[in-house]
Amino acid sequence: EAGVAQSPRYKIIEKRQSVAFWCNPISGHATLYWYQQILGQGPKLLIQFQNNGVVDDSQLPKDRFSAERLKGVDSTLKIQPAKLEDSAVYLCASSIGRRGNTEAFFGQGTRLTVV
Amino acid sequence: QKEVEQNSGPLSVPEGAIASLNCTYSDRVSQSFFWYRQYSGKSPELIMSIYSNGDKEDGRFTAQLNKASQYVSLLIRDSQPSDSATYLCAVNREYGNKLVFGAGTILRVKS
Repeated sequence: EAGVAQSPRYKIIEKRQSVAFWCNPISGHATLYWYQQILGQGPKLLIQFQNNGVVDDSQLPKDRFSAERLKGVDSTLKIQPAKLEDSAVYLCASSIGRRGNTEAFFGQGTRLTVV
Repeated sequence: QKEVEQNSGPLSVPEGAIASLNCTYSDRVSQSFFWYRQYSGKSPELIMSIYSNGDKEDGRFTAQLNKASQYVSLLIRDSQPSDSATYLCAVNREYGNKLVFGAGTILRVKS
């Protein structure tokens, strides 16, 4: 079974530029998460989708971050414009999302450096 | 109060010893609890899940859950240098609700 796929693996941009990350979850997984992990900290949930709908986006900086999950499968996370403090690893995870089974599996992440 | 709290460590144990990692959570109605291992520069890897009070064993790993005390722990028996990593505790209130992580505990196993 293929795991969660993310691209790109690395990205370096200048502040005020825009960037987009892509995630393809494990086949059949209804729940998709985007996390931001700053060095030395735990993953911080940015947005969680259940199929096409948003479960939680309370910590998503909506003035600059946006995310979508079309057709309940792939997802993209966009930052526009980027700030220096956005430098982090962006992790995508997915889970089956059924009652009694919410185990989440992570992709390899995208390391973003804003200079 | 943080939703999920862990001691940042580092926790240092000698090879062959038992490593004990602890986690507390604030939401009393949390239902699902997970332990992830994260090596430096890698993404988190799920190693244990536990849903009901008591112990759950998988190889050298034992997860312990006490919902009354809002406490979950991970024991690693016969610790190996390859167990050196950051261990993340994650909590989910219930199906369809957000999955929240703690800051992680750094474990160092010395040979």
